[in-house]
Amino acid sequence: DAKTTQPPSMDCAEGRAANLPCNHSTISGNEYVYWYRQIHSQGPQYIIHGLKNNETNEMASLIITEDRKSSTLILPHATLRDTAVYYCIENQAGTALIFGKGTTLSVSS
Amino acid sequence: DSGVTQTPKHLITATGQRVTLRCSPRSGDLSVYWYQQSLDQGLQFLIQYYNGEERAKGNILERFSAQQFPDLHSELNLSSLELGDSALYFCASSVEGHYNSPLHFGNGTRLTVT
Repeated sequence: DAKTTQPPSMDCAEGRAANLPCNHSTISGNEYVYWYRQIHSQGPQYIIHGLKNNETNEMASLIITEDRKSSTLILPHATLRDTAVYYCIENQAGTALIFGKGTTLSVSS
Repeated sequence: DSGVTQTPKHLITATGQRVTLRCSPRSGDLSVYWYQQSLDQGLQFLIQYYNGEERAKGNILERFSAQQFPDLHSELNLSSLELGDSALYFCASSVEGHYNSPLHFGNGTRLTVT
C-alpha cells in the first residue's frame, strides 16, 4: 500500500503557482521522495525527486522539510496542460513505485 | 517521449484468450517494470525484471507471466482472460542501482476483453 498522504484534489488558476503537499511521515533514511504525474490516460511522467535537499528542474521545485516527513511540489506558473493527477511516492532508488490515489490538480483559466 | 515503447497500443480480445504485450525499454536501462491500471484499482505494480532476472513481484495473477529477453525487451503474457482484465498496462524502465534512477513509463497498451 502507498505510504504517502495527499489531498484528493486541488484547484489552481492559470499562471499562478501550484503548491501540492504530501505527507510521508514514515519515510526511511534511504528512501527518496518522487513525484510523478499522469495526464488523462497517458503513462505516468517523472517530474522530480529528492532525498533531503530541495531540488529544482525545468518542470518544478521540490521542497522537503528538514525532518523529511513532508514535502511540497511547486509548479511555478501552472498552465492548462498541467491538469493531471500528481503522485507523491517514497521509494528506494531503482525499486518499483507503489502508487496511491494522488492529487487531481485542475488548472483553470 | 519517454523512450519506452509499448506495442500494441490497443488490443481487443475475447474472454478465455491469451495475449502478449511487448515493451522495449529506454536505451541503457536494465530494469523493466509492469503495471496495470484499471478504473477501480488505480496503478498496480505487477512485476519487475532486472537484466533478464525476476527482481520483484507485486499483485500479479497466476494467469499472468512475464519475461525479459537478452536484448532487454520484455513481454507480459496474459492468459485465460476475464472481463476484469480489461485495463491499461504500462511498462516502465530504469537504470538499476543508481541513486538517480527514476522510472520512465511508456504510453501503455489498452486491453479490452469482451
